[in-house]
Amino acid sequence: GNSVTQMEGPVTLSEEAFLTINCTYTATGYPSLFWYVQYPGEGLQLLLKATKADDKGSNKGFEATYRKETTSFHLEKGSVQVSDSAVYFCALSEYTGRRALTFGSGTRLQVQP
Amino acid sequence: ETGVTQTPRHLVMGMTNKKSLKCEQHLGHNAMYWYKQSAKKPLELMFVYNFKEQTENNSVPSRFSPECPNSSHLFLHLHTLQPEDSALYLCASSQAWDGGSTDTQYFGPGTRLTVL
Repeated sequence: GNSVTQMEGPVTLSEEAFLTINCTYTATGYPSLFWYVQYPGEGLQLLLKATKADDKGSNKGFEATYRKETTSFHLEKGSVQVSDSAVYFCALSEYTGRRALTFGSGTRLQVQP
Repeated sequence: ETGVTQTPRHLVMGMTNKKSLKCEQHLGHNAMYWYKQSAKKPLELMFVYNFKEQTENNSVPSRFSPECPNSSHLFLHLHTLQPEDSALYLCASSQAWDGGSTDTQYFGPGTRLTVL
């Protein structure tokens, strides 16, 4: 079946540091890939997505590139801010007769001033 | 109201109580979902509705009973829950199931449920 593996957290960075959160996936076909973010006390918000190999999703300074050869979708940001502190979820969607997202376990990011 | 709303935001109930969670989407979508988010576990899909018809039940215990009266509203009826059912329950919506995988799901803020 499908699965998503994220790096374990928490990740603690200083403001303006470079961020990478690793995500790898297992799927039988050609999934779409997503990053969602969950701020404290809130639901999930779509951060970015990519629907085919070599696509790059980007939003709010975050980027991720769909790498089919390494089955990865790593999240990066060049300079994090305190307001980026949240839990980040990698997810995939693949039509196999089942319309749902498969999520990773989430990675908590804490940015210190 | 815009996006996906959920009420109540917090709920405390005893094991013998009956309560309902409500979700409403204002995005013109036709597919709606219930997810469960427990501490230290990945999000778990519970139910999927497509054009008001239930298309997936992910082996959810019968003490959780969903209802989708129209494409904009989704309910989760709760009865005789257990303490281990305490979690954040998230509702999401997307465009109708068209056989593709590119749809984006939009989430509500969730209902934080505590079962005593």
